[in-house]
Amino acid sequence: NAGVTQTPKFQVLKTGQSMTLQCAQDMNHEYMSWYRQDPGMGLRLIHYSVGAGITDQGEVPNGYNVSRSTTEDFPLRLLSAAPSQTSVYFCASSYSRGATGELFFGEGSRLTVL
Amino acid sequence: KNQVEQSPQSLIILEGKNCTLQCNYTVSPFSNLRWYKQDTGRGPVSLTIMTFSENTKSNGRYTATLDADTKQSSLHITASQLSDSASYICVVSEGTFGRGTSLIVHP
Repeated sequence: NAGVTQTPKFQVLKTGQSMTLQCAQDMNHEYMSWYRQDPGMGLRLIHYSVGAGITDQGEVPNGYNVSRSTTEDFPLRLLSAAPSQTSVYFCASSYSRGATGELFFGEGSRLTVL
Repeated sequence: KNQVEQSPQSLIILEGKNCTLQCNYTVSPFSNLRWYKQDTGRGPVSLTIMTFSENTKSNGRYTATLDADTKQSSLHITASQLSDSASYICVVSEGTFGRGTSLIVHP
């Protein structure tokens, strides 16, 4: 039972570098999303997707890009990393975005930008 | 503006004791309220979901309540164990997150 798999678990970047956080789910969920979690701030939605080929912005999308070419994968790209993007990132998926859409989270990716 | 406020921000209790976590919300429309448990270094996991018509729901030693009139929910943990040490996150209508309550259970 893999569920939601995120890679890498840890990453250190220098300011200005780019990278991609990978997220894959094997539950055939249509809805996928990315959150960042900072101390005292809780989980904040970055981008989400309601199906392959469809993405939309969340609460804090600046500095991040996403794409959804398949149902299974939803990568998050940082084009030019900044220290303010130091955070723990969680990918989540759900069968439905509707009223009973339990989110299944990955284990998180801890990113440090120097 | 939709908001979810959780209290207390942090809580320390002794093993075996009970505790109650609070969640107040101003979210419209309301569809449900869900409590997640997040262990340190892990992703959140759903504990329970409350819909509009439900007042109380139990999941083992966890009991959630919902008062839709006052827009308040609580999560009561009975006979706490060391493994209950975690952050507890309240989420309303699957989209508005509280900042969580950090619970530490000491032996």
